Order: sequence, then structure tokens, then C-alpha cells
Amino acid sequence: QKEVEQDPGPLSVPEGAIVSLNCTYSNSAFQYFMWYRQYSRKGPELLMYTYSSGNKEDGRFTAQVDKSSKYISLFIRDSQPSDSATYLCAMSPSTDSWGKLQFGAGTQVVVTP
Amino acid sequence: GAVVSQHPSRVICKSGTSVKIECRSLDFQATTMFWYRQFPKQSLMLMATSNEGSKATYEQGVEKDKFLINHASLTLSTLTVTSAHPEDSSFYICSTDRDSGNTIYFGEGSWLTVV
Repeated sequence: QKEVEQDPGPLSVPEGAIVSLNCTYSNSAFQYFMWYRQYSRKGPELLMYTYSSGNKEDGRFTAQVDKSSKYISLFIRDSQPSDSATYLCAMSPSTDSWGKLQFGAGTQVVVTP
Repeated sequence: GAVVSQHPSRVICKSGTSVKIECRSLDFQATTMFWYRQFPKQSLMLMATSNEGSKATYEQGVEKDKFLINHASLTLSTLTVTSAHPEDSSFYICSTDRDSGNTIYFGEGSWLTVV
């Protein structure tokens, strides 16, 4: 079983809709949770970073972490065609191994005009 | 602007040859850099942790003699794929933490094709 599970999609939504993405994980030691956006053949770009359980909002993006369920989510409001990309969740147990991220497989999102 | 620069972005090499990929931190010092590999439609998998002035730490299953990592300065880490084979064809990407661990930034990645 993979430590981080993420549905690869593709997830197709019409422009303006809410995009809902999620990951589940098995390692209860994870405390730092991140969402990255990756365009084709490019490096990942950090979108959101959350520590422990709770919600965090940044513009059109909202990240949620539920450690009791080992479940994290990313919501994109008012989606745009430019949001079409692969979204990767990533997590780390501590700052001691901060850069040693465990990634999900990535969900491909397609926002249609 | 870019925080981490990676070069080359794309390289094609013949089977049996070696290829070097560079990862540079821009405008800051990076004592630790991380190297990942991503096969098509798969997730990023950590290969090794590069430490300035000391040996790299490799993840289980990664051949240290095949993937040579050198972190000779505080702004540069290199990954050399030695005796490359077609199965080494992949997307290689580096990352580092700026501001002592608040965020992880990735380079643009390097596409390696071994023919």
C-alpha cells in the first residue's frame, strides 16, 4: 500500500465550477501538508502549505487537513482554463526531514471553457 | 521569479554514456538539496538527499554508484547518471528549502532520454 493515495483522474470541470481534490495517507506521523501544481513537463509549483489539522485559504484556493481521518483536500473556486494542470499532494513528518516529501500520484484537472 | 535553476532542461544521450544535471539555488545558500525522479504519469519519487560538503544520502533501492551526487558548493548540486540505459529515461528534478524549511521549491526539471 502506498503511503499517499491520490486519484489520478482526469477530472474535468466546466469553467467557473469548484474543483475538489483530495488525498488520503497512512502514516500518522505526517504533520506538514502541501499542494503543488505541475504543468506538463515543468517542475511543481507550491500552491498551499498547511501544518497539522485545519483549514487554510489563499485567494481561490482552500486547503483542508483532517488528521483524524488522514485525509486532505484542496478546493479551487471559480476555476479557470489556466487551472488545467496536474495537482500533487505532498507531505512530510517533521522539519527534520522537511525536504523528503512523500507525494501522491497527482490528479490531472481539465477546466473546459 | 525562479528560486531554483536546473540545467539542462532536456537531454538526449546514447546508452552507456554519462549525463550530468545541475541544480542551482538562486540568491541563497542551500546546504541541502533533494533529487527526485518522475516517470510518466507517476508521482515524484525521492532519490537522494544532497548535503553540502558531505556524502549524499540515498533512498532505498537507488544505486549510489549509478546516480552520483556532488554538492561541492552552497549553491550547486549535481546529479550524474552514469552508464545510462533506456530505463533511466525519466524526468529528474531537484528541490531545496528556502528560509530554513518553511517551503520547498523545485527546479524546472530535466528530461532525460537515453537512446
